[in-house]
Amino acid sequence: GDSVTQMEGPVTLSEEAFLTINCTYTATGYPSLFWYVQYPGEGLQLLLKATKADDKGSNKGFEATYRKETTSFHLEKGSVQVSDSAVYFCALNRDDKIIFGKGTRLHILP
Amino acid sequence: GAGVSQSPSNKVTEKGKDVELRCDPISGHTALYWYRQSLGQGLEFLIYFQGNSAPDKSGLPSDRFSAERTGGSVSTLTIQRTQQEDSAVYLCASSLGTVRDEKLFFGSGTQLSVL
Repeated sequence: GDSVTQMEGPVTLSEEAFLTINCTYTATGYPSLFWYVQYPGEGLQLLLKATKADDKGSNKGFEATYRKETTSFHLEKGSVQVSDSAVYFCALNRDDKIIFGKGTRLHILP
Repeated sequence: GAGVSQSPSNKVTEKGKDVELRCDPISGHTALYWYRQSLGQGLEFLIYFQGNSAPDKSGLPSDRFSAERTGGSVSTLTIQRTQQEDSAVYLCASSLGTVRDEKLFFGSGTQLSVL
């Protein structure tokens, strides 16, 4: 069945470091791909999305490109901040459902 | 309301008891979802309501779990004869339309602890 696999955390980086969180997917057809983020004490919220191959989603300095050839949707940010500390979930849609990965916890040290 | 509201925020119960968890979606949102978030397991889909259509119950883990949505708005997730493995955060989410085009708005969840 459709699934999402993302790198296990926690990931710990220093402020201003470059971030990559890997995400690969298995799906029939061409799903939309998403990154959701859960900040401490807050509910999950959509960070960015891409709906077709080669689309790039971007928000708050984060980017991810829908790569059909490698079935990947890696999340990147050029310079992370302490406020980016959160749990990040890669996800895809199957029919009208969102299938989530297990999440990657990110810690940014000042 | 301004967002998806869930109650209670925390629930502690004894093994074998029944529990009810409530979700108030954003007004006007036709789609409503329940997910379960367990430590190290990510978000597990439970059930999906879309308008007046029959719900997609394919994610419910056992027949002890059920959910209803009254009047196309408020939803209640019921767990009968709770077990310790039911301990998790139960998240509700709603969206304006299909999730391919519209984003999900999540509530803050209900932390369920079964002793």
